[in-house]
Amino acid sequence: EVRLVESGGGLVEPGGSLTLSCDVSGFVFSDYYIDWVRRAPGKGLEWVARSRHKGKGYSTAYAASVKGRFTVSRDDSRNFVYLQMNRLKIEDSAMYYCARTDRTVHKDLDYWGQGTLVTVS
Amino acid sequence: QSVLTQPPSASGTPGQRVTVSCSGTYSNIGTKTVNWYQQLPGTAPKLVIFNNNMRPSGVPDRFSASKSGTSASLAISGLRSEDEADYYCAAWDDSLSGMLFGGGTKLTVL
Repeated sequence: EVRLVESGGGLVEPGGSLTLSCDVSGFVFSDYYIDWVRRAPGKGLEWVARSRHKGKGYSTAYAASVKGRFTVSRDDSRNFVYLQMNRLKIEDSAMYYCARTDRTVHKDLDYWGQGTLVTVS
Repeated sequence: QSVLTQPPSASGTPGQRVTVSCSGTYSNIGTKTVNWYQQLPGTAPKLVIFNNNMRPSGVPDRFSASKSGTSASLAISGLRSEDEADYYCAAWDDSLSGMLFGGGTKLTVL
């Protein structure tokens, strides 16, 4: 069974830092990209970041709103993806989801975790 | 403001067919594949359409989608109460080097 489980959310003051984790299981982690997506209260979905696999040089991509403040990384040996969030702003408050992407079949975000809530206040 | 444009709301009665539109540009929908997601209240989003018009296993064939030029649309036929949710289109954007979501369409089953 494919599973993605986020953790690490919580309450943090503006300007603070937080690291989210995404624990994945049930598939060959090293074959997939992992994305982070968030949904702020009363707003729609917003893509945040992408971690590509070894075949793509572990390259990353970020939304303009978080570039330079957030860093995504992965540990293939432990099947974890991390989202390090620095210089947090009130507008970063949201439910954060990690999701799997299989670009070989153009299947973006086909499995999602349950989310972890970040509140910046 | 989202670069992919969706109507904020749509509605229909049980059994009806409803469509949700998604308008983009050359650098996203025009050259990239479109995916559609359903988000029921209080739950994580769910992929309902990938690669423009493909259904993941388990998604009923009441859900269909198409793409033409820089626009895409999702259609739900035989509308059911459990289809009441927020629906989002998404596509990669080469000029932004990132994924874009539409603003979301809240579907109400009357």
